[in-house]
Amino acid sequence: DAGVIQSPRHEVTEMGQEVTLRCKPISGHDYLFWYRQTMMRGLELLIYFNNNVPIDDSGMPEDRFSAKMPNASFSTLKIQPSEPRDSAVYFCASSLRPSNQPQHFGDGTRLSIL
Amino acid sequence: QQQVKQSPQSLIVQKGGISIINCAYENTAFDYFPWYQQFPGKGPALLIAIRPDVSEKKEGRFTISFNKSAKQFSLHIMDSQPGDSATYFCAASTFSGSARQLTFGSGTQLTVLP
Repeated sequence: DAGVIQSPRHEVTEMGQEVTLRCKPISGHDYLFWYRQTMMRGLELLIYFNNNVPIDDSGMPEDRFSAKMPNASFSTLKIQPSEPRDSAVYFCASSLRPSNQPQHFGDGTRLSIL
Repeated sequence: QQQVKQSPQSLIVQKGGISIINCAYENTAFDYFPWYQQFPGKGPALLIAIRPDVSEKKEGRFTISFNKSAKQFSLHIMDSQPGDSATYFCAASTFSGSARQLTFGSGTQLTVLP
């Protein structure tokens, strides 16, 4: 079975540029989560979707961050404009209904903002 | 307070030894406690989980011990192997909105020496 697929695996860009991270959840999973991992703050939940609808975006750090899920098999996390403090590993995870099923994580996107 | 405190930050164990990682929480609303294992360049993967109505759960060489009154839980890895070398995250979970949300500990980097 294909797991959660994230792209790109690595992204290096200059401050001020727009960054788009992509995620394909496991087929049939109803929930999709975006996390950020840094040394200072560990793993933080940014936003999650249920059936393509954003449910809780209280973890999104600033208005520069936005996330969409146009269909059940694709989600994006966008940062515009990017800043050096956005450098982190961003993970996407998905889980089955009911919502207490374990979350399956992708391998992440390592983002470096210069 | 949603915080989950994890210790130690790093742990070095000889092959065949026992690895012990501890976590503590404050929020009594947490009702599900998973442990995740993360290898370099990979996303976290669910290792084992426990609910607070049991004091211990064992799966192979991995055991979770849970102390509800002390609000503490720990992971024990018996007969530790070099292949167990990874970062381990405890987490605590409760329903928020329509999904089970995870609050992660800060992680423990385990090194098992051959």
